[in-house]
Amino acid sequence: SQTIHQWPATLVQPVGSPLSLECTVEGTSNPNLYWYRQAAGRGLQLLFYSVGIGQISSEVPQNLSASRPQDRQFILSSKKLLLSDSGFYLCAWGQGGEQYFGPGTRLTVT
Amino acid sequence: KNEVEQSPQNLTAQEGEFITINCSYSVGISALHWLQQHPGGGIVSLFMLSSGKKKHGRLIATINIQEKHSSLHITASHPRDSAVYICAVRDRAAGNKLTFGGGTRVLVKP
Repeated sequence: SQTIHQWPATLVQPVGSPLSLECTVEGTSNPNLYWYRQAAGRGLQLLFYSVGIGQISSEVPQNLSASRPQDRQFILSSKKLLLSDSGFYLCAWGQGGEQYFGPGTRLTVT
Repeated sequence: KNEVEQSPQNLTAQEGEFITINCSYSVGISALHWLQQHPGGGIVSLFMLSSGKKKHGRLIATINIQEKHSSLHITASHPRDSAVYICAVRDRAAGNKLTFGGGTRVLVKP
């Protein structure tokens, strides 16, 4: 069966510090991968998606970036965090139209 | 105006009551998803539908493509149904990416 992992589960980082969130998927190959953000009191917003290794599409301009170094690994990064980067970050994988979400990372930028 | 609108935003019910959550959308879609987000943040996909009606346990989802409207019903509600329910549509014109509604926060009191 397929599983999706995200870490860390929670993170508190100061403004201006770097960020690296990791997502890995098991039990499937060549999935579409997604990064979403849910800011406090707001709905989910698609940040990045990837249809294959090294293929990243960005949905919104921001100071975040994503990379897919391996088929089942998706990384969300920032060189310098902003206060507005605080939120709940969800990774998801998809095939055949369905999407399956990871447990999420709650990021607080102080 | 958001592309996906949910109503109500908040809903409180007594255990055993029948609950209905509505979702209206303005774009052409290839499918509609209902998701459940628990207080810890984790998201579970409940339904994916493109026509008609689907049932899983006490949950029923319907969609009317012509009217661009979907409903999620919870029969015999239980406190463990307390969660945020999110409607998301796969926008045909946007590469089938998911666009999310703002969510409906449901509280079922014992």
